[in-house]
Order: sequence, then C-alpha cells, then structure tokens
Amino acid sequence: GENVEQHPSTLSVQEGDSAVIKCTYSDSASNYFPWYKQELGKRPQLIIDIRSNVGEKKDQRIAVTLNKTAKHFSLHITETQPEDSAVYFCAASPDSGGGADGLTFGKGTHLIIQP
Amino acid sequence: GAVVSQHPSWVICKSGTSVKIECRSLDFQATTMFWYRQFPKQSLMLMATSNEGSKATYEQGVEKDKFLINHASLTLSTLTVTSAHPEDSSFYICSARDDSGRSYNEQFFGPGTRLTVL
Repeated sequence: GENVEQHPSTLSVQEGDSAVIKCTYSDSASNYFPWYKQELGKRPQLIIDIRSNVGEKKDQRIAVTLNKTAKHFSLHITETQPEDSAVYFCAASPDSGGGADGLTFGKGTHLIIQP
Repeated sequence: GAVVSQHPSWVICKSGTSVKIECRSLDFQATTMFWYRQFPKQSLMLMATSNEGSKATYEQGVEKDKFLINHASLTLSTLTVTSAHPEDSSFYICSARDDSGRSYNEQFFGPGTRLTVL
C-alpha cells in the first residue's frame, strides 16, 4: 500500500517568514495530493490540493508543488501569520475518478509561528 | 455547503460495551464515506471505506467484527465499536465525498468523536 513520509515533524518560524513542509510518497498510482490544517481537537480542513497533471498550484499565501518523477510534493506558506500555527498533514490517494479511495496521511508537521 | 456531522461528539463507556457513532452528510449525498482513527498527537489512519448498499472495505489490520460499519443511506454511515476496550480510546473521524462531483475528489470531514473506554 501507499506510504507517505512528512518532514519536519515540528517547524518554528518567525512571523512574516516562509514555511516549507515536504512529503514523499511510495505508490506511483497516487495522483491526488491534498494538504490539511488541523487545530487541536478539531476536524482537518483542506487548505489546498493538487493532482498529478499539475506541477504547481497557488492560492494567495499558500502554494503546493509536485514532482511526480521523484514522488514528492511540498507545501509553501509565505508571509506567515500567528493564525497559521497548527498541525499540517499531507496526504495521497489514487484518483480513480470513482471517488472510492481513502487517503493515506503523513505523520503531520506542527507549525509554530513565533511573534 | 458540504457539511458533515458526527454524533456523539464525545462518549465515555465501560470496557466490554458497544458504542455507535453516526456520520451524516447534511447537504449532499455520499455513496462513499471513510472512517479514520486518530490517536493523540498522531496522524489520521484510514480504518475502512463505507459504501452505501454494500459491505465496507477494511484496511489491513482493522478487525471488521470489532468495528462494524453500516451505510444505510446516501447520507448516513455508522461505526459501531463492539466490546470496547481501553486501547480503543481514540478520536474517530469520518469523511464523505459529494456524489454530485462538484468538489471532485475532496473529502469533507466530520468534527470527530472522542471515545474514552474506562
């Protein structure tokens, strides 16, 4: 099955600086890669996703890049703000089109924005 | 739109009893729902895929007789933890995909149910 590795486990950055979280996956059949933000005790919230036919996607301060050859994808947050502090999870799944595939999650990155 | 609810939000039960958790898609139909488990400070682990009108598909290592899943309608899936033990204490989260396809592959997560087994 799929295996998703995520690094780092903890990331502390100064407010206003950029943060980068990296993930690798093992299953070449995976072609849907979402990123979730989870605050303590709450549900994961989708912040951005990318599919294998796209190399990069941006939404305001958040961007995701995908290198399918190397099987890795990264989350980039620019101009970080205190409210960005949370745990971030990457995930992967095959995009069979039928919507029947669950997600394999990375272990998470605790992002801390220092004021 | 695309709201998923879970009930209860938390439950405490005695060891050996069974607990049922409901997952509902409130404003969309979901042929497929997913159940995840999350231990404190850990990631979400897929337990099973719930399919309306057919048997659930369980991930390797998840006991189907212990975690009973019933997907009775296009808006409701239930997870029953049978003969619960303290090691079953966890945060159980469901997700659902919108059948209409308007959100493509996105999974919408419920708020989770915290189970504590004494």
